[in-house]
Amino acid sequence: GNSVTQMEGPVTLSEEAFLTINCTYTATGYPSLFWYVQYPGEGLQLLLKATKADDKGSNKGFEATYRKETTSFHLEKGSVQVSDSAVYFCALSNSGGSNYKLTFGKGTLLTVNP
Amino acid sequence: GAVVSQHPSWVICKSGTSVKIECRSLDFQATTMFWYRQFPKQSLMLMATSNEGSKATYEQGVEKDKFLINHASLTLSTLTVTSAHPEDSSFYICSAGGGSRNEQFFGPGTRLTVL
Repeated sequence: GNSVTQMEGPVTLSEEAFLTINCTYTATGYPSLFWYVQYPGEGLQLLLKATKADDKGSNKGFEATYRKETTSFHLEKGSVQVSDSAVYFCALSNSGGSNYKLTFGKGTLLTVNP
Repeated sequence: GAVVSQHPSWVICKSGTSVKIECRSLDFQATTMFWYRQFPKQSLMLMATSNEGSKATYEQGVEKDKFLINHASLTLSTLTVTSAHPEDSSFYICSAGGGSRNEQFFGPGTRLTVL
C-alpha cells in the first residue's frame, strides 16, 4: 500500500535560515505528491503539489521537486520567516484530482524564531 | 481557496453517548468528502470517503456501525460517533473536494473528548 515518511520534528530555526524537510514515499504507479501546511488553530491548506516526475511545485518561496528515482519530495525554502511557523505534512494520492484519497506523513512542526 | 467548516470545534461527552460532527463546504459543491482521524503527534488517518447520495466507503479497520457517515447534500456531510468510549477521543478532520476544484479543502477539525 501507499505510505509517506517525513522527517520527525520539531524543527527550530532562526529567521532567514534555510529549511529542508525530507519526505520519501512508497506507492504503486505514479502518484501525485503534495505538501500541506497547518497553521495554529486552522485547517490544512495545500502549499504546493507535483503530479509527475521531475515536476517542481512552488508557492510562497517553498519548493519541492518530484524525484521518482529516489521516491522523494523534499520541501525547501531559502529563507524562512516567523510566519512560516506551522506543521507541514507531506502527502500522496494516486491521482491529482480532488476526489482521491490522500495518504499523509506524520507531520513536521516548524518553529521559526526572530 | 474554498472554505470548509466543522461544527462543533470541540465536544466533551460521557461514555456511551453519541456525538454528531458536521462538515460543510461553504462556497462550493463537494461531490466527495473525506473524514480523517488524527492522534497527537500522528498523521491524519483516513477513516472513510463519502460521495453525495451514496454510502460511504470505509477504510480497513474502521467500524462502519460505530462511525456513521451521511453525505445527504453537496454541501454537508456528518460523522456520528455512536456509543462513544474514551478510546474514541481524538481530533476529527474532514475535507471536501469535487466539481471544478482540483484540490481538497480541509476543515479546522473537531476535538472529541469522551469521559
